[in-house]
Amino acid sequence: GESVGLHLPTLSVQEGDNSIINCAYSNSASDYFIWYKQESGKGPQFIIDIRSNMDKRQGQRVTVLLNKTVKHLSLQIAATQPGDSAVYFCAVRYSSASKIIFGSGTRLSIRP
Amino acid sequence: EPEVTQTPSHQVTQMGQEVILRCVPISNHLYFYWYRQILGQKVEFLVSFYNNEISEKSEIFDDQFSVERPDGSNFTLKIRSTKLEDSAMYFCASRGTAYSYEQYFGPGTRLTVT
Repeated sequence: GESVGLHLPTLSVQEGDNSIINCAYSNSASDYFIWYKQESGKGPQFIIDIRSNMDKRQGQRVTVLLNKTVKHLSLQIAATQPGDSAVYFCAVRYSSASKIIFGSGTRLSIRP
Repeated sequence: EPEVTQTPSHQVTQMGQEVILRCVPISNHLYFYWYRQILGQKVEFLVSFYNNEISEKSEIFDDQFSVERPDGSNFTLKIRSTKLEDSAMYFCASRGTAYSYEQYFGPGTRLTVT
């Protein structure tokens, strides 16, 4: 099976600082990793993904790092803004399965 | 930008009643999913659907649940006899092709069973 867990349920960051949200997964057969953002009352919104043949991928203000040796995934948000306040989920897919396994979520709050 | 839509946004039903949650996936997508999220908890996979049949389902998806793609645009989740513990947000998602892993989620339907 697969379990996915985030290291911290909550994270408070000063506006303008960088945010780092960490996630661990258990199944070494996992081949696809995704970060979702969920705002209150809405569905998960895709932020960035990475496949297992990569260890880093960058988007607009976001970077995902994948360390397959220790089965660890992180999301870095540069220059955090008030609009980044949300719950962030890492999610994992392992090969031969079509489903996505979600982690428990980290609530990111921004201090002015 | 194309998006997944879901109706209704909120459904209140009595225990034992049947409910049907409706989804319109992104046009031309081939893979469809239902997930649920109990308040304050993680998003949980229920079922995936491809080529008019279930491709994978979780242990949550028991005989009380069924899915259907009645026409070329809708994808439905039916719960035959709702229980209190079925109260949750239900999200539909769709994916384009076998080579595109990204799943696009709808806004969800909040199901309240009383």
